[in-house]
Amino acid sequence: GQQLNQSPQSMFIQEGEDVSMNCTSSSIFNTWLWYKQDPGEGPVLLIALYKAGELTSNGRLTAQFGITRKDSFLNISASIPSDVGIYFCAGTLTTGTASKLTFGTGTRLQVTL
Amino acid sequence: DTGVSQDPRHKITKRGQNVTFRCDPISEHNRLYWYRQTLGQGPEFLTYFQNEAQLEKSRLLSDRFSAERPKGSFSTLEIQRTEQGDSAMYLCASSSSGQGLKTQYFGPGTRLLVL
Repeated sequence: GQQLNQSPQSMFIQEGEDVSMNCTSSSIFNTWLWYKQDPGEGPVLLIALYKAGELTSNGRLTAQFGITRKDSFLNISASIPSDVGIYFCAGTLTTGTASKLTFGTGTRLQVTL
Repeated sequence: DTGVSQDPRHKITKRGQNVTFRCDPISEHNRLYWYRQTLGQGPEFLTYFQNEAQLEKSRLLSDRFSAERPKGSFSTLEIQRTEQGDSAMYLCASSSSGQGLKTQYFGPGTRLLVL
C-alpha cells in the first residue's frame, strides 16, 4: 500500500538538542497527523493539522501543514530522554476514503544523555 | 480510562489455527478502524466501520480475514487458517464522524505471532 516518505529514517541526538523531521508525498493530503509510538504500543496522537499552511504547537512540539498540501514537518525543541520512540506522519488523501489514514515510514529517534 | 482497548495484547498461535481479536472503541465514537503493522513499517489500513456498517475493505484483507461490528460498539477481527505472514501488530482506532477532522485514536494493539 502507499506510504508517505519520511526523513530521516533514524536519528541520534543529545539531550537538549532540537529535532526536525519531515514527511512528503506525491499526492495532495486533506489533513496531516503526527503520532509517536513506543515499542509494543499503539500510536499516540501528538498534533493534528487541518489546513494548508497551518502551524500548530503542542508544548515542545511544533508541526506545519505544507502550502502545497504534499508535505509536513515536525519539530521537537530541547529534546529529553522520554522523546525516544518512533514518530509517524499520517494523512488523509483528497481522493478515496476520507477516513483512511496513510502512514509514513517512520522516524526512529534516540536521545543520548 | 475511556480510551480504545484491545484484547488480547499478545497471541501466539500455530499455522492453520483461527484467531479472533476484539476492539472496544472510545464510547460514542461511531467509526472504528483496523490497521496492520509489520516490523519496521507504519500501520496499513485494513477496514473501517461506521456504526455497524463495514464501509471499506483494503486489498490487504484477504478472504481469510473477516471483521464485524454487530451492534455498532465493539468489533472483532478474525483470521482463519493463519499463515506465518499474518504475524504482525493489529491496531484498532476509533473516531467520531461529525464535522471537521475525524481524528483517529489508537488502541495498544494485539501482537500476533504465527509459528
